[in-house]
Amino acid sequence: NAGVTQTPKFQVLKTGQSMTLQCAQDMNHNSMYWYRQDPGMGLRLIYYSASEGTTDKGEVPNGYNVSRLNKREFSLRLESAAPSQTSVYFCASSEALGTGSYEQYFGPGTRLTVT
Amino acid sequence: AQSVAQPEDQVNVAEGNPLTVKCTYSVSGNPYLFWYVQYPNRGLQFLLKYITGDNLVKGSYGFEAEFNKSQTSFHLKNPSALVSDSALYFCAVRDRGRRALTFGSGTRLQVQP
Repeated sequence: NAGVTQTPKFQVLKTGQSMTLQCAQDMNHNSMYWYRQDPGMGLRLIYYSASEGTTDKGEVPNGYNVSRLNKREFSLRLESAAPSQTSVYFCASSEALGTGSYEQYFGPGTRLTVT
Repeated sequence: AQSVAQPEDQVNVAEGNPLTVKCTYSVSGNPYLFWYVQYPNRGLQFLLKYITGDNLVKGSYGFEAEFNKSQTSFHLKNPSALVSDSALYFCAVRDRGRRALTFGSGTRLQVQP
């Protein structure tokens, strides 16, 4: 099993450009998440999807959109990138509530720089 | 609201010595608590969790953590540090009934040979 995979690994954008970060998991998990990691701030939740067909805002959703394409895939889109979105982005997945498994599994991350 | 505090930006310890990485939390109900480790240029790896039951939980690589409800703490411990344990450690909390984790700001562990 590959676990959680993310593409691309690195990306440089100019202000105003758009891009989509891709995430896929092969663990048959119901819930998927997007976080950003900034120095000294830990990880902050951008959006999450509790199950296929649903998405909800997290702590820092402004400037982002998401799509839960199917059970495996959860993409994050930046419509008009800003330098404040320079960060490392992590995708994660977990089982649904009530299944007895609570931990999240993380992908390797995408390092995004917006100039 | 749920929150996590990791009061130490960095912990330094000599190899073979015991280590403690501190974490305190705040939730409105009963918590689920987690520790994750991050090695350079890698994603987060799950170490251990407290869900219910025994307050002392054991995880990977000799790590353990003690849930203390009265002090709202969940400190990570290892009785004998290895140089290879040097990494960034994150504590996280989730209120029961909520889906999202809230992470602390992280503590860098440096184990000197």
